[in-house]
Amino acid sequence: GENVEQHPSTLSVQEGDSAVIKCTYSDSASNYFPWYKQELGKGPQLIIDIRSNVGEKKDQRIAVTLNKTAKHFSLHITETQPEDSAVYFCAAFSGSARQLTFGSGTQLTVLP
Amino acid sequence: GAVVSQHPSRVICKSGTSVKIECRSLDFQATTMFWYRQFPKKSLMLMATSNEGSKATYEQGVEKDKFLINHASLTLSTLTVTSAHPEDSSFYICSARGLAVTDTQYFGPGTRLTVL
Repeated sequence: GENVEQHPSTLSVQEGDSAVIKCTYSDSASNYFPWYKQELGKGPQLIIDIRSNVGEKKDQRIAVTLNKTAKHFSLHITETQPEDSAVYFCAAFSGSARQLTFGSGTQLTVLP
Repeated sequence: GAVVSQHPSRVICKSGTSVKIECRSLDFQATTMFWYRQFPKKSLMLMATSNEGSKATYEQGVEKDKFLINHASLTLSTLTVTSAHPEDSSFYICSARGLAVTDTQYFGPGTRLTVL
């Protein structure tokens, strides 16, 4: 089945700096890659996603890049703010499994 | 984005009782709903997948008789934890996906279950 690895597990940045979280996946048939933000005590919230026919997608301060050949995708947050502090999960959707496989999560802390 | 609600948000019960958690897709029809369990500082663990009108598919190691799932309509799924024990205490999160397999999956706010 699909296996998703996520790094780093924790990340601290100064307010205004950029943050990058990376994920790799194993199933070459996976074709959809969402990113979720989870604040303490809440459910995951979809923040951006990308499909395998696109290499990059941007939404204001957030961008995601996908390298299908290398089977990795990354989340980029620019001009970080304290409210960006949360746990971020990447995921990969495999058509064969018909479900999402999640990474282990990254605790992002933005220091004021 | 689409909205998924979950009720209750938190519940405390005595050991041996049963607890029902509801998950609703508020502004879209969800053919498939998922139930996850999350331990502190851990990732989401898929418990089961339910399709409207059919039996749920449980992941390996999840007791189907303990975690009863019903997906009676395109907007409602329920998870019942039967004869709850302290080890069932956890954060339970539902998720809903639209009519197509390739549709985006949206999550509810979660239910914190504490079994005394």
